[in-house]
Amino acid sequence: AQSVAQPEDQVNVAEGNPLTVKCTYSVSGNPYLFWYVQYPNRGLQFLLKYITGDNLVKGSYGFEAEFNKSQTSFHLKKPSALVSDSALYFCAVRDPDNTGGFKTIFGAGTRLFVKA
Amino acid sequence: EAQVTQNPRYLITVTGKKLTVTCSQNMNHEYMSWYRQDPGLGLRQIYYSMNVEVTDKGDVPEGYKVSRKEKRNFPLILESPSPNQTSLYFCASSHTGTGPDTQYFGPGTRLTVL
Repeated sequence: AQSVAQPEDQVNVAEGNPLTVKCTYSVSGNPYLFWYVQYPNRGLQFLLKYITGDNLVKGSYGFEAEFNKSQTSFHLKKPSALVSDSALYFCAVRDPDNTGGFKTIFGAGTRLFVKA
Repeated sequence: EAQVTQNPRYLITVTGKKLTVTCSQNMNHEYMSWYRQDPGLGLRQIYYSMNVEVTDKGDVPEGYKVSRKEKRNFPLILESPSPNQTSLYFCASSHTGTGPDTQYFGPGTRLTVL
């Protein structure tokens, strides 16, 4: 079965500094990887995804993620953090079932605090 | 406006009293899913549906039922709720097409079972 790990419960960064939120995965076959963000009292919003192609994926709000097959990682990055980026971030992976469908496995989430 | 709606948004109930949380999407998505969110555990998938009349168990299906009689609706049923089902629930939908697409999430339903 597939799995996703977000090794940091919380990441603190100063506004204007680069940020990284880590994600590692375990899959059999080609990985389908996603990042979602959850702002307080809201549902999740899609940020970006990797299906195939370039290892550097660009997404919403200036975020990007780098797919690294050898390290089985899909870290989320942003060159310059904003206070408004403070939120809960989830990494997710597709987990195919045996009938042509798929489950979705989410990591435990990483809370990002950006300090002014 | 493209959206996923859930009702109710907040619900307090007692152990054993059957309840249904509705989910509806207006994007003609094939894939629909229910998740529960608990602190420190992230989102865990309860059930998912690849299309009408096709449903499958996620990682935590015990105590829940679903149905997919119409493409737009995917209700979550708790036949006999227990306190360990107190949680924040999200419905989501997406296209499937040639591969998994991004999921659109509803606003969430906060359920408390006393």
